[in-house]
Amino acid sequence: AQRVTQPEKLLSVFKGAPVELKCNYSYSGSPELFWYVQYSRQRLQLLLRHISRESIKGFTADLNKGETSFHLKKPFAQEEDSAMYYCALHDNAGNMLTFGGGTRLMVKP
Amino acid sequence: NAGVTQTPKFQVLKTGQSMTLQCAQDMNHNSMYWYRQDPGMGLRLIYYSASEGTTDKGEVPNGYNVSRLNKREFSLRLESAAPSQTSVYFCASNPTLNTGELFFGEGSRLTVL
Repeated sequence: AQRVTQPEKLLSVFKGAPVELKCNYSYSGSPELFWYVQYSRQRLQLLLRHISRESIKGFTADLNKGETSFHLKKPFAQEEDSAMYYCALHDNAGNMLTFGGGTRLMVKP
Repeated sequence: NAGVTQTPKFQVLKTGQSMTLQCAQDMNHNSMYWYRQDPGMGLRLIYYSASEGTTDKGEVPNGYNVSRLNKREFSLRLESAAPSQTSVYFCASNPTLNTGELFFGEGSRLTVL
């Protein structure tokens, strides 16, 4: 069975500092990975997916199959980035989306 | 365009009581899901419905039942609530099972005393 691990429950950085939210996965097939974000008092929403290779709100994430990781990065954090971030893996065989435990990012002024 | 709508947003139950969480989507999606969110455990899939007329168990189905009433609506029922079911419940939908992009409701916070 697939598993998604986010080792940090809380990450606190100052505005303007780089940020990296870690995500590791275990899956025997070819993974499809996502980052979801939940801002305060808003619903959970998709931030980005690895197949798109896009940058959203300055965030990027690269799939590293050798290290089985999909870390989320941003070079200069902003206060409005404060939110709960979830890494998720889509199981193409069973069609299930498995979430990690989440990391709360706090960006201090 | 409301997207995914859940009711109620908040509910307090006593142990042993029953209740139903309602979910409706107006995006003409085929697949719908119920997740629970607990601190440190992320979101765990309770049940899902690939299409109208079908339902399947997810990771944590015990203590719950679901009904896919029609293409728009997918309800989650707790027959005899337990304190371990205190959680935030999220309904989600997507066009098909073949994609990992889900559209979420705002969540329903349930407390079982």
